[in-house]
Amino acid sequence: DAEITQSPRHKITETGRQVTLACHQTWNHNNMFWYRQDLGHGLRLIHYSYGVHDTNKGEVSDGYSVSRSNTEDLPLTLESAASSQTSVYFCASSVDSSGNTIYFGEGSWLTVV
Amino acid sequence: GENVEQHPSTLSVQEGDSAVIKCTYSDSASNYFPWYKQELGKRPQLIIDIRSNVGEKKDQRIAVTLNKTAKHFSLHITETQPEDSAVYFCAASGAGKSTFGDGTTLTVKP
Repeated sequence: DAEITQSPRHKITETGRQVTLACHQTWNHNNMFWYRQDLGHGLRLIHYSYGVHDTNKGEVSDGYSVSRSNTEDLPLTLESAASSQTSVYFCASSVDSSGNTIYFGEGSWLTVV
Repeated sequence: GENVEQHPSTLSVQEGDSAVIKCTYSDSASNYFPWYKQELGKRPQLIIDIRSNVGEKKDQRIAVTLNKTAKHFSLHITETQPEDSAVYFCAASGAGKSTFGDGTTLTVKP
């Protein structure tokens, strides 16, 4: 079955380290997204991509970057991890830009100490 | 950009009662309004959605209504069961992007 997978599922890192969270989808979806989820803030958009080589900033993009070199993958990089980036990160994808369902990955729990 | 407000933030009901969660949005260009259910430690999953050319949609015990003029939409759950306990998120989508509400924690007491 087609799926969207994230790795690692849990990670503890130190302040200042670079961290990359992987996201891989097998649906051949054009759109991919990264959200962070914090208590009381719901799901906030970090970065998104509408296709290969396309990337865009979301509402909370500072300190994060993404790249889209193929359809299947959208890795999220924290350039220099900060304690404020301790959160649950969800990758998601949708077919196209016509208002279609977003499908979420299982989430990556990141703790920055 | 789009702004979505969701109320209430917490909701407790007795098993068998109905639950209603309301959302408002700001961008009239939004044309797709999904609702997601998230159980503890799990990913959000779509439970129902509605498009801007439809006023109401029902799927068994859940229904969603949309008022485009007032820019608000609501989730209705009837005959609630303990397994309905979860966090529910509304979203407003347009041009391929979705903005989520802050979530409603629904507790159904047996």
